[in-house]
Amino acid sequence: GAGVSQSPRYKVAKRGQDVALRCDPISGHVSLFWYQQALGQGPEFLTYFQNEAQLDKSGLPSDRFFAERPEGSVSTLKIQRTQQEDSAVYLCASSLVYGTGGDEQYFGPGTRLTVT
Amino acid sequence: QKEVEQNSGPLSVPEGAIASLNCTYSDRGSQSFFWYRQYSGKSPELIMSIYSNGDKEDGRFTAQLNKASQYVSLLIRDSQPSDSATYLCAGGEKAAGNKLTFGGGTRVLVKP
Repeated sequence: GAGVSQSPRYKVAKRGQDVALRCDPISGHVSLFWYQQALGQGPEFLTYFQNEAQLDKSGLPSDRFFAERPEGSVSTLKIQRTQQEDSAVYLCASSLVYGTGGDEQYFGPGTRLTVT
Repeated sequence: QKEVEQNSGPLSVPEGAIASLNCTYSDRGSQSFFWYRQYSGKSPELIMSIYSNGDKEDGRFTAQLNKASQYVSLLIRDSQPSDSATYLCAGGEKAAGNKLTFGGGTRVLVKP
């Protein structure tokens, strides 16, 4: 079946521009996560949705970062007034259920954001 | 600060040998653990999940969990050049929606 998809795969933005990154999770997956991965490091948690509810946004680095999942399926991560330190790969993951068992997270291909 | 620690490597392994990767974690609230494989320029791919103390085997992979020692390991038997990648260890905290805390990854090189 289809996995998690993300678009665009690559994005180059000039400093100060706004960007929107899209994630389409595996059909039927309840939970959706956004992670940020800097070069040579492991992914770091940004935010988490259960259906349309954003239950944890503790990892968002600043108020320039905003995420939504209005219908409990597709999610968008928006970054306003991009800065060079925002350059990273943004990964989306989804899981079927919440809780032990069946909560394995499957990652999309990521969006590589470069801010110049 | 919840941490997951891994040796960055590279771990060099001859083809056909066993690769042994280790991971320690600081948060006793972590209840589920995952190993992901990440090829250069690609996204993490789930290899194993483990929730209970002991061993879990899947093909050439065996994950081991020791919650008392806060230690997770992954063994790769009969290592192949295609196993050359970075292996990420992650802990999930159920109370936090199972968001994952990742280690920095161990780079594995399997030499023919």
